[in-house]
Amino acid sequence: EVQLVESGGDLVKPGGSLRLSCAASGFTFSTYNMNWVRQAPGKGLEWVSSISTNSSYIYYADSVKGRFTISRDNAKNSLYLQMNSLRAEDTAVYYCARSADDNFDSWGQGTLVTVSS
Amino acid sequence: DIQMTQSPSSVSASVGDRVTITCRASQGISSWLAWYQQKPGKAPKLLIYAASSLQNGVPSRFSGRGSGTDFTLTISSLQPEDFATYYCQQANSFPYTFGRGTKLEIK
Repeated sequence: EVQLVESGGDLVKPGGSLRLSCAASGFTFSTYNMNWVRQAPGKGLEWVSSISTNSSYIYYADSVKGRFTISRDNAKNSLYLQMNSLRAEDTAVYYCARSADDNFDSWGQGTLVTVSS
Repeated sequence: DIQMTQSPSSVSASVGDRVTITCRASQGISSWLAWYQQKPGKAPKLLIYAASSLQNGVPSRFSGRGSGTDFTLTISSLQPEDFATYYCQQANSFPYTFGRGTKLEIK
């Protein structure tokens, strides 16, 4: 069974940093592109970032470019999101999602990031 | 960026009804469209990919159609567990974009 488990969400002050992790199991992690998708409270879904299998290709939404860094460790079956210079508008549940033909076919349960003073 | 416009934003329906949700892309995306279902407090679930392909395990009452810029998701006979919010997403090019969602409520 595919499992994606996010962790690292917390309350952080504006301008602060946070690192999210996603532990994958139940599939061959190194053969799938991976993504972060977020959802602000009461709002819709927003794609944040994607990373290819060997980290050769990385993409970001304009809203996070220059502040967030996606990475992965295939040996540890883990995906990461380093978030710097956090803003109130980054407050959201952050989901780790597996790509299958550019769709998100498996999702984690999400981790809540709250940016507030 | 490709904008995805979903309609309606909300719809009320009864068990057994047929419901259709529409998604329009601001430019052609071929068949690179997916539909997701999300229930409160839960992660989204992939229903349809490549505009009309049913994800494994998804009931056959769900169907998708369309190509280019206009797409539909149809639920042929609503069941109680189908009341949720539905999102379309284009997978044609980065940045991936979602529609704003359609909330399906019980009448």
